[in-house]
Amino acid sequence: KNEVEQSPQNLTAQEGEFITINCSYSVGISALHWLQQHPGGGIVSLFMLSSGKKKHGRLIATINIQEKHSSLHITASHPRDSAVYICAVGRGGGADGLTFGKGTHLIIQP
Amino acid sequence: DVKVTQSSRYLVKRTGEKVFLECVQDMDHENMFWYRQDPGLGLRLIYFSYDVKMKEKGDIPEGYSVSREKKERFSLILESASTNQTSMYLCLSSGGMNTEAFFGQGTRLTVV
Repeated sequence: KNEVEQSPQNLTAQEGEFITINCSYSVGISALHWLQQHPGGGIVSLFMLSSGKKKHGRLIATINIQEKHSSLHITASHPRDSAVYICAVGRGGGADGLTFGKGTHLIIQP
Repeated sequence: DVKVTQSSRYLVKRTGEKVFLECVQDMDHENMFWYRQDPGLGLRLIYFSYDVKMKEKGDIPEGYSVSREKKERFSLILESASTNQTSMYLCLSSGGMNTEAFFGQGTRLTVV
């Protein structure tokens, strides 16, 4: 079993829909990261959180430490949101880096 | 703006060649990492470094080595490139625990 599981693996939605991507992890973590990768592009950090909720524009990330679960929400989705969204957890200590989920491939159709 | 710069976006090399992938960061970060990204497998850690001249093996170090002679630069070396090393290579730089992670733009390496 992977330490970081994301669902769904693939998601296609219509423009304007509310999107939820889920991430569950099985290890103790120091922080959880949500990352975005556009086709052919590099990886950009969207959020880093260790508790509660963060919001940036139309993106909202939440984390429940007790349940070892995080969600990324996109409100009023737009075709430019089409990308792979990756959940990653930091195990602490910094030097051991991040453990990544396999990503959720999101397509928003006009 | 934080910058993590990888030396090439696209690279084509022949089997058996020695390949150098360079990563430079300008944030005085101590921790730097090399990952490869493959369809269906996600990102896998090859090597990391938490200080100059220090290196640690990640999950898939076979066929790779690294060099960190200066704090800002972390190099990934493929001693003798093979076709199964065709992949997207990503460099990550981090200031430490509970800090934001910054990726380079990636190098898509094709070994023919």
